[in-house]
Amino acid sequence: LAKTTQPISMDSYEGQEVNITCSHNNIATNDYITWYQQFPSQGPRFIIQGYKTKVTNEVASLFIPADRKSSTLSLPRVSLSDTAVYYCLVGDLNDYKLSFGAGTTVTVRA
Amino acid sequence: DSGVTQTPKHLITATGQRVTLRCSPRSGDLSVYWYQQSLDQGLQFLIQYYNGEERAKGNILERFSAQQFPDLHSELNLSSLELGDSALYFCASSPTQGYQETQYFGPGTRLLVL
Repeated sequence: LAKTTQPISMDSYEGQEVNITCSHNNIATNDYITWYQQFPSQGPRFIIQGYKTKVTNEVASLFIPADRKSSTLSLPRVSLSDTAVYYCLVGDLNDYKLSFGAGTTVTVRA
Repeated sequence: DSGVTQTPKHLITATGQRVTLRCSPRSGDLSVYWYQQSLDQGLQFLIQYYNGEERAKGNILERFSAQQFPDLHSELNLSSLELGDSALYFCASSPTQGYQETQYFGPGTRLLVL
């Protein structure tokens, strides 16, 4: 499994855009990149998944450069309720399990 | 609400005891996954079942076992409990299996071993 590295924590203010970059230097050809969000004492929740270039949904955008050795999760106009831990995961389609790292704790302040 | 239910929400027991955690997947989902989240180990995959059969194993101790029943609900059995087993235990489900599928997590069972 490709190892991922992401910042331990990030602070932001309401209305700002938050960008979390995840490094995955040894990502394999068949690997996909997935992000989950977790609030305290709740189970993780899927945010977005991508393979290359850019993916956007109603919650976030995921930017993946051509070499795929990193990816950036972009949360537009965050609110206090976006305060959570964000996990970057990498795995191929034959991985049944999710391998979570330490994640990035994002704190949004008023 | 993910559609995955877990019972009980909280469990307090003593060392050496045995407990059973229960998970009902989302309607129609065939795969069930169990994860353990503790302060020092983070969120770790334990085991996965697909349509009643064990499909993948992670860092699951021999004192722990699981099964998935014909109605697709799953149980995680923890025996000879130790203080270090205190953690949040999450169940997740997905329609079939594979990394590309979203896993839907339940609210978790908080286990405290005294």
